[in-house]
Amino acid sequence: DSGVTQTPKHLITATGQRVTLRCSPRSGDLSVYWYQQSLDQGLQFLIQYYNGEERAKGNILERFSAQQFPDLHSELNLSSLELGDSALYFCASSVVGGTDEQYFGPGTRLTVT
Amino acid sequence: GEDVEQSLFLSVREGDSSVINCTYTDSSSTYLYWYKQEPGAGLQLLTYIFSNMDMKQDQRLTVLLNKKDKHLSLRIADTQTGDSAIYFCAESIPGYALNFGKGTSLLVTP
Repeated sequence: DSGVTQTPKHLITATGQRVTLRCSPRSGDLSVYWYQQSLDQGLQFLIQYYNGEERAKGNILERFSAQQFPDLHSELNLSSLELGDSALYFCASSVVGGTDEQYFGPGTRLTVT
Repeated sequence: GEDVEQSLFLSVREGDSSVINCTYTDSSSTYLYWYKQEPGAGLQLLTYIFSNMDMKQDQRLTVLLNKKDKHLSLRIADTQTGDSAIYFCAESIPGYALNFGKGTSLLVTP
């Protein structure tokens, strides 16, 4: 158990809909990262938050957005969903500083039908 | 990020050593990581190496880094069936996102 929690574990929804994925980082970790894992693209970095502020953006679509709240949990919002958005979405957290290992949650499997 | 390359598949017999290879291209990366993903599970951090090190050993795992060739390898000694999983190599500058390879599927046969 990495200490990072993600909900829900599975999500099935229809095209055009909007969903919210939630992540709670390990105790003491200030940074949260979101990654998408798909068969064709592999593991791709989406966005990073540090202590409530956006720190870096990767290959995140404009239809996707995220935020980190004062209690450090984070939410990833996916809207106008398309079939191609079906993937595993992982959250990771780290302290930021020193070796800065990232610890991953169990992921949310999103299926868009 | 720049490409991190891994071979896609490796099959070994139980008890043998496994060697998973990775090449990276970003010279500014200061840490290189190995993660393990079992079916239906998240990514488990196995080990990491700082870019000014040549080798790191952690129980059955040995990481070798050739910085000149930008080549990283993970050796698993006495491989067991429970080691069957996908292994990802990743590079990063601490505090920033990981850049992953596509993963190597390791199959350990009895």
